[in-house]
Parts: sequence; C-alpha cells; structure tokens
Amino acid sequence: NAGVTQTPKFRILKIGQSMTLQCTQDMNHNYMYWYRQDPGMGLKLIYYSVGAGITDKGEVPNGYNVSRSTTEDFPLRLELAAPSQTSVYFCATRLVQDTQYFGPGTRLTVL
Amino acid sequence: EDQVTQSPEALRLQEGESSSLNCSYTVSGLRGLFWYRQDPGKGPEFLFTLYSAGEEKEKERLKATLTKKESFLHITAPKPEDSATYLCAALDTGRRALTFGSGTRLQVQP
Repeated sequence: NAGVTQTPKFRILKIGQSMTLQCTQDMNHNYMYWYRQDPGMGLKLIYYSVGAGITDKGEVPNGYNVSRSTTEDFPLRLELAAPSQTSVYFCATRLVQDTQYFGPGTRLTVL
Repeated sequence: EDQVTQSPEALRLQEGESSSLNCSYTVSGLRGLFWYRQDPGKGPEFLFTLYSAGEEKEKERLKATLTKKESFLHITAPKPEDSATYLCAALDTGRRALTFGSGTRLQVQP
C-alpha cells in the first residue's frame, strides 16, 4: 500500500515549457487535491476533485489544468510555465472522513 | 473568507523546555481543525483532528486543544526529533478543502 505517490520528485523547466505532474493513490479515496507551497508559506489550493470526472478550482488555479478520468489518478498540467510557478507541489487525498493525506511533493523550478 | 493564522512563525526551544504553538481561525462554521507536522523536503504528516470546543487530543509529547476561536499545540519536554514545521488547517462546513496557516518552525536544541 503505497498511499499517495507523486512524480517527478524534482524538475527544472524553462519559461514557456509545459509539463504534467503526476499523482496516483491506491487508497480508493474519493477526494483528491493539488496544493502549492511557496517558501515559508502555507499550502494554497490549486484544484480539487470529488470523484472521477468532477473537478473544481481552488484559490490559485490560473496557469494550471487538471483532469480526473479514474479514481486513482489526478494529474496537474502546466501549459506555459512561468517563474511565478516555481514552488513545491503537493497532492493530497481524502475519503469521506475529513483527514487529508499528502504525497511527498514535486519541487519545480522555472527559469 | 476563511483565514488561519499561526504564531509564532519560528520557535527555538532547549530540549525539555515546554511551550505552546497558537492557531487562530476565522471560518463561518468549523467542521474540523487539523494539525500536521512537516519535515524539510517532505509532505505534511497528519497529527490530530479536533471537532468541537473543549476537545483535546494527545500523542506522545504533543497535546492539541480547541476553543471557539483558537487551537493550541502544547509540546511537553520536547526532544530534538520534534524539530519540524507544524501546520494548522481549518475545514469550513461549506467547503471541501482545508485552509492552511503558514506554519510554525520549531527547533529543539539538545
């Protein structure tokens, strides 16, 4: 039981490039989330999903897109990378109970 | 708008020196108050959930308490391995995701 896995662990992008951050869970949780964490700051919600086929925006969705075709996977897409997207990205999941469980994170640098 | 504020931003303690971390929250209706521990380069690790004022939960040297406007994380006789950032988050009854504070960086020196 791996819980929540994220790939890659680290990535450096050039301005204007695109990439997909992968998030996979094996806990059969309905809810999945994407957060970003800037240095010394709390976590800001980017997008979330309450189940396959259903997604919704969080606090800071601009510049990102998501999809949820299966219960297990919730990829986050950056289409035109900008320096402001340099951050650590965390995926999280939740079942009906309220506790969210987090993945190990992806550290992204945009130069 | 939901808001969660943590203080202090950073705290340095000597091993064995007890202290408390504060989390104040503003939500329209509190469904739950969460505490997480985050080590450098890692994802947040769940510690406690508190649901109603007066509730307390304990785990080893940590005890979390909740009032109608604040939560406290009490650390009794801390050890160097308790060094981490402690995050507080609130879940509003009308929302589906947590609102996080910016965390308290705790350093416990031997």
